[in-house]
Amino acid sequence: QQPVQSPQAVILREGEDAVINCSSSKALYSVHWYRQKHGEAPVFLMILLKGGEQKGHEKISASFNEKKQQSSLYLTASQLSYSGTYFCGPRARLGNEKLTFGTGTRLTIIP
Amino acid sequence: GAVVSQHPSWVICKSGTSVKIECRSLDFQATTMFWYRQFPKQSLMLMATSNEGSKATYEQGVEKDKFLINHASLTLSTLTVTSAHPEDSSFYICSARPTLPDRHNEKLFFGSGTQLSVL
Repeated sequence: QQPVQSPQAVILREGEDAVINCSSSKALYSVHWYRQKHGEAPVFLMILLKGGEQKGHEKISASFNEKKQQSSLYLTASQLSYSGTYFCGPRARLGNEKLTFGTGTRLTIIP
Repeated sequence: GAVVSQHPSWVICKSGTSVKIECRSLDFQATTMFWYRQFPKQSLMLMATSNEGSKATYEQGVEKDKFLINHASLTLSTLTVTSAHPEDSSFYICSARPTLPDRHNEKLFFGSGTQLSVL
């Protein structure tokens, strides 16, 4: 079952903050976050591992709640370059397991 | 950083023809590669997992006889869309996971994608 993200879409003014949520129906070991610009391949932002939290990119951070099987991505003081569609990719275990992406959140930053 | 090359970037073909898409890891070895399909304004949907030297594992609902995957070496996987039809038109993206068990092992590196249009 595909992980569910919320909101589906959000429009922000430059400098505002945003939170994107990802919810999985499975127990999780880690969560990936990627950003995709229109017509391009997804770009890795960060990985959060069970029992830890990791900052990976610019003013973007994330949290991971294993018990609730949820992760949230926080974008602070958003920049125009943050525009794109964000996908979470929860993973149930370490190893070669496939990565199933969430439903996606389209973020638009306006001047 | 690790680079994944995917080509062609776009292809237009007639209905009924076959199209091959290549995915290469340029500076690392990848035992496992993944193929995704993405329709406009939708998420990436995993089609199959490609394993070097063995048969690919297809997701439910993906026709393995229509989407042929070959992973003949540790740096190359190919996806062939056989007898393509207009409904196969989509953005196809491959990704690769480095074989070496380092801290990047969990991270996927994506190709730039292939836009397929079937007339």
